[in-house]
Amino acid sequence: GQQLNQSPQSMFIQEGEDVSMNCTSSSIFNTWLWYKQDPGEGPVLLIALYKAGELTSNGRLTAQFGITRKDSFLNISASIPSDVGIYFCAGLRGGGADGLTFGKGTHLIIQP
Amino acid sequence: KAGVTQTPRYLIKTRGQQVTLSCSPISGHRSVSWYQQTPGQGLQFLFEYFSETQRNKGNFPGRFSGRQFSNSRSEMNVSTLELGDSALYLCASSLGGGEYEQYFGPGTRLTVT
Repeated sequence: GQQLNQSPQSMFIQEGEDVSMNCTSSSIFNTWLWYKQDPGEGPVLLIALYKAGELTSNGRLTAQFGITRKDSFLNISASIPSDVGIYFCAGLRGGGADGLTFGKGTHLIIQP
Repeated sequence: KAGVTQTPRYLIKTRGQQVTLSCSPISGHRSVSWYQQTPGQGLQFLFEYFSETQRNKGNFPGRFSGRQFSNSRSEMNVSTLELGDSALYLCASSLGGGEYEQYFGPGTRLTVT
């Protein structure tokens, strides 16, 4: 099935640095969701976006719903060791007919 | 409020067997969706149930089926297991009816030998 183009695939950063990742698609989505998955666990919902142009924060996390409705961005400020994990973007079309469409994930690795 | 629970957490089956996985959604959630996660294909949508009816279906063969009970609990069945069915199977619940935030369970790790 179709997947979102998520980049970067992996990031090696120093503790305290800011992180940016994004997802793009050739299709329009009505909802964008960002998840974090730790090894052996299910994805945990971080932020949900419902309107084009919307900017939403959750603590040190900020996500934006792109104006074209074909992309979304996630920023993490002042990274800490517990931010390590895989971050997934997910898009939902109107009516949810295809379920969530996921990106391949961004693997965040933090060096102390 | 308790989260989404899935049982069992781990399963080992042999090719040709069938398997049933169980998911209990968050209390009050009426929609349950199932996803397959593999290293090669990532997270892929299997199907969604709402009020005991399959509402949406992904692009998977008919060997994959599911059902939902009146208490919103859901089961997923895979018949005639193949080696390629080895994966983490995740269920997610949402309020349904236009509420799109999906909350995932810990998953069932299925290994087919």
